[in-house]
Amino acid sequence: GDSVTQMEGPVTLSEEAFLTINCTYTATGYPSLFWYVQYPGEGLQLLLKATKADDKGSNKGFEATYRKETTSFHLEKGSVQVSDSAVYFCALSDRPSNSGYALNFGKGTSLLVTP
Amino acid sequence: GAVVSQHPSWVICKSGTSVKIECRSLDFQATTMFWYRQFPKQSLMLMATSNEGSKATYEQGVEKDKFLINHASLTLSTLTVTSAHPEDSSFYICSARDNSPRANEKLFFGSGTQLSVL
Repeated sequence: GDSVTQMEGPVTLSEEAFLTINCTYTATGYPSLFWYVQYPGEGLQLLLKATKADDKGSNKGFEATYRKETTSFHLEKGSVQVSDSAVYFCALSDRPSNSGYALNFGKGTSLLVTP
Repeated sequence: GAVVSQHPSWVICKSGTSVKIECRSLDFQATTMFWYRQFPKQSLMLMATSNEGSKATYEQGVEKDKFLINHASLTLSTLTVTSAHPEDSSFYICSARDNSPRANEKLFFGSGTQLSVL
């Protein structure tokens, strides 16, 4: 079945450091890929998404490119801030994007950014 | 943006008791809600899909008689863990689908419920 593997945390970075959180997936079809973020005490929020190969999702300085050849969707940010401290989840859906179907999630990666 | 309220955020109960978790869509109607469970250091695992006015669809391996789901209105779904045992201790998260045409994104999540069964 479909699955998502993402790097384990916690990840601790200094402010303004470069961030990469790795995510790879296994899917039989052509899934849509997502990154969700969960800030302390809040629900998961969609950070960015990509619906087909070579698409790049971006939001709030974060980027991820859908790489079919490596089945990856790594999350990157050039300069992290303390406010980026959160748990990040990579997810996929084998249904059309933006359609609100159930998702397959990775385990989540906790990010702590220190001043 | 759309908000999903999940309550309670944490609960501690004795073994053998039942616990009800509520999931409400605050500013949209949700014909479909999803219930997930997350054990420590594990992925969020889909437990069931809750459809308003009909029976929930459970994922393989999830006991429907143990995890009762009620979706009696377009804004509320409840998950009841019946006769809870320590192995049911987990983090439960709901999400709701917004089917309205105005919704740019369709899926919204609650903040989760940490259940600890003693």
